Amino acid sequence: DAKTTQPNSMESNEEEPVHLPCNHSTISGTDYIHWYRQLPSQGPEYVIHGLTSNVNNRMASLAIAEDRKSSTLILHRATLRDAAVYYCILGYSTLTFGKGTMLLVSP
Amino acid sequence: AAGVIQSPRHLIKEKRETATLKCYPIPRHDTVYWYQQGPGQDPQFLISFYEKMQSDKGSIPDRFSAQQFSDYHSELNMSSLELGDSALYFCASSQPGTGERGQFFGPGTRLTVL
Repeated sequence: DAKTTQPNSMESNEEEPVHLPCNHSTISGTDYIHWYRQLPSQGPEYVIHGLTSNVNNRMASLAIAEDRKSSTLILHRATLRDAAVYYCILGYSTLTFGKGTMLLVSP
Repeated sequence: AAGVIQSPRHLIKEKRETATLKCYPIPRHDTVYWYQQGPGQDPQFLISFYEKMQSDKGSIPDRFSAQQFSDYHSELNMSSLELGDSALYFCASSQPGTGERGQFFGPGTRLTVL
């Protein structure tokens, strides 16, 4: 399975944008880039996914590098409810969770 | 909107006992996935089913088995329980033919083995 590398943790202030990076230099041509997040004591939650083009939805934006070896999840205005572990996952359907980035949001 | 339902939410068992966890996917979702999350760990994929057939297999112990029924609900059967089986067990479901479009997770079943 292709591997992803994410920072262990990041901090942000409320109302500010957050850019969560993910490196995936061994990504294959058929791998989708998925982002999920997990709030404390809850199941993982789908955030966004993409293949080659940048994607936007109501939760976030996904910026994918032209060579697809990295991507960035963008939360446009962080809220306290966005504090969670964010997972960048490659593949099609089955999810292989790595370590993820713990996002801390301060008021 | 309807979500994935898991039952029971909490389960306490003794070592060597058996346990059955149930998962009811979102209506019209035909694919079900099971994940295990130990304390302080990340979720690990166990097994998945598509249209009642096993579609993928992860790190599921031989003591565990699962199936998907005609109404698309799924059950995870766990036998000869060990202390290390204590974990959160999540079920997720996805839409037909759109595995890449996201899995929707249930609230989980917390299994404690004493």
